[in-house]
Amino acid sequence: NAGVTQTPKFQVLKTGQSMTLQCAQDMNHEYMSWYRQDPGMGLRLIHYSVGAGITDQGEVPNGYNVSRSTTEDFPLRLLSAAPSQTSVYFCASSSPSGPDTQYFGPGTRLTVL
Amino acid sequence: GIQVEQSPPDLILQEGANSTLRCNFSDSVNNLQWFHQNPWGQLINLFYIPSGTKQNGRLSATTVATERYSLLYISSSQTTDSGVYFCAVGLYNQGGKLIFGQGTELSVKP
Repeated sequence: NAGVTQTPKFQVLKTGQSMTLQCAQDMNHEYMSWYRQDPGMGLRLIHYSVGAGITDQGEVPNGYNVSRSTTEDFPLRLLSAAPSQTSVYFCASSSPSGPDTQYFGPGTRLTVL
Repeated sequence: GIQVEQSPPDLILQEGANSTLRCNFSDSVNNLQWFHQNPWGQLINLFYIPSGTKQNGRLSATTVATERYSLLYISSSQTTDSGVYFCAVGLYNQGGKLIFGQGTELSVKP
């Protein structure tokens, strides 16, 4: 199992550009989430999904879109990048059956100039 | 929403020392997890522990749900224990929604 994978590892954007951060998991987990981590602020939930076709907002959803067409993939779209979106982005997955343990991807470090 | 507070915010230890990290939360939860973020940024799940006590090698954790706190014990610390320890809480079957504390940054010196 590869677990949770994220691409790219690093990305630099200019203000106003759009891009998609990719996340995939091969554990057949129903739940997937996106978090951002800023210095000194821990992780904050952006969007999450409880299954294919179902998504909902977390604490800090503004400026981001998500969709979940398959169980495996959960891409995060930045519509018009802003410097405030400079952060490290983590994708996570878990299963509602058994312990609700979350598994995290390696992260994407995004810089918006 | 649920508030999560961790203490201390940072900690410096000599190799071989023991330490206790604390996590307080403001409301009833039935999902509590401890994570270690290593110096390379990878987040590793240490414990899923909504209540009770668990042990894994030199690490153990105790959650007292009725009093809304959890403790992470690290014994005989090693330099590889360095990094940031996060506590995160949520409600069971809430789609993986977790609220994270600010973390405790641990540095273990040789």
